[in-house]
Amino acid sequence: KQEVTQIPAALSVPEGENLVLNCSFTDSAIYNLQWFRQDPGKGLTSLLLIQSSQREQTSGRLNASLDKSSGRSTLYIAASQPGDSATYLCGLNTGNQFYFGTGTSLTVIP
Amino acid sequence: GAVVSQHPSWVICKSGTSVKIECRSLDFQATTMFWYRQFPKQSLMLMATSNEGSKATYEQGVEKDKFLINHASLTLSTLTVTSAHPEDSSFYICSASGLTGLAFNEQFFGPGTRLTVL
Repeated sequence: KQEVTQIPAALSVPEGENLVLNCSFTDSAIYNLQWFRQDPGKGLTSLLLIQSSQREQTSGRLNASLDKSSGRSTLYIAASQPGDSATYLCGLNTGNQFYFGTGTSLTVIP
Repeated sequence: GAVVSQHPSWVICKSGTSVKIECRSLDFQATTMFWYRQFPKQSLMLMATSNEGSKATYEQGVEKDKFLINHASLTLSTLTVTSAHPEDSSFYICSASGLTGLAFNEQFFGPGTRLTVL
């Protein structure tokens, strides 16, 4: 069974700093991987989707990479802002099922 | 992008009553819909996967007789929490994906439904 882990569980950085969130998975047989943002009490917002055949995706200050062979994905956030404070989840689609990571709670300090 | 709606967004009910939550894909045909729940300060957990016209597949530990899922059309899935109890209070989120077009192999999430059982 697929296991998805995110490290660190919590991260606090000063505004303007670049940061990297990590997502590890145990089974490389995936269709795609998504990074989500969750604000307290709200549904998930999809940030980036990386298809199995892709290595990375970029959207604004966000860059996500995928290395299936090592079972890793990273979400890079450039020039962090207080509005980036949220919980970030990675999710894997295996075609039949979707698995979420454990989440990283990010706090950007003004 | 594709849009998924949920109704209601918030519901409060008395213990022992049943609550139905609707999940709709507004601009694409959702061949597969997923239901998740998130207890406070815990990770979002998949409850069940439903394919249109088929019985839902439930995750281990999820009571299928308590959480009834119906996916009778390509745009609507419902989750009914039967005989709800306070421990069922949670944030319920659905997502949908399709085989073609907007939602091909990508999941789009509804805004969630917060259930509070008194």
